Amino acid sequence: EAGVTQFPSHSVIEKGQTVTLRCDPISGHDNLYWYRRVMGKEIKFLLHFVKESKQDESGMPNNRFLAERTGGTYSTLKVQPAELEDSGVYFCASRGVRASTDTQYFGPGTRLTVL
Amino acid sequence: AQSVTQLGSHVSVSEGALVLLRCNYSSSVPPYLFWYVQYPNQGLQLLLKYTSAATLVKGINGFEAEFKKSETSFHLTKPSAHMSDAAEYFCAVSEAAGNKLTFGGGTRVLVKP
Repeated sequence: EAGVTQFPSHSVIEKGQTVTLRCDPISGHDNLYWYRRVMGKEIKFLLHFVKESKQDESGMPNNRFLAERTGGTYSTLKVQPAELEDSGVYFCASRGVRASTDTQYFGPGTRLTVL
Repeated sequence: AQSVTQLGSHVSVSEGALVLLRCNYSSSVPPYLFWYVQYPNQGLQLLLKYTSAATLVKGINGFEAEFKKSETSFHLTKPSAHMSDAAEYFCAVSEAAGNKLTFGGGTRVLVKP
């Protein structure tokens, strides 16, 4: 079974540009989460999808961030326009559909550098 | 609101010595507690989890953690460190199965030969 995959692994962009990160969850996982770790601080929750619906987006920092999950499969996280403080590692995680399943499986992350 | 505190951002241990990583949490409800590990250039991997069953939880690679409600702690231990244990370790809490995780700041472990 393939794990959670993220693309790209690294991205370097200029301030003001747009970047789109992609996450492919484990096949059959309805729950998909985005987290990020900025400048060696703690990993922080961004949002949670159940299928294509946003279950919890309380961690999204501002309206420059747009997450989508059309069709309930892969998800994208777009940052537009990117700012210096957006640099960090963006993690995606997925979880199975059963309510008793409590483990989130993480991808390798995308390292974003905004210059 | 939940929070997690990991004491020590860096820990250095000798190969064969005890590994002890401290985690204290706050939660308004009985918590779900997790330890994840991140090896260099890899994603986060679940080491073990506590979900209201046995208070002593055994995980992969010889790690275990004990849930102590009175101390609001979930410290991670391994009796004998191996060079391959060099990684960053994260403690996390959630209020229910499947809810968002709140992470501690992480502890980077260096293992000396």
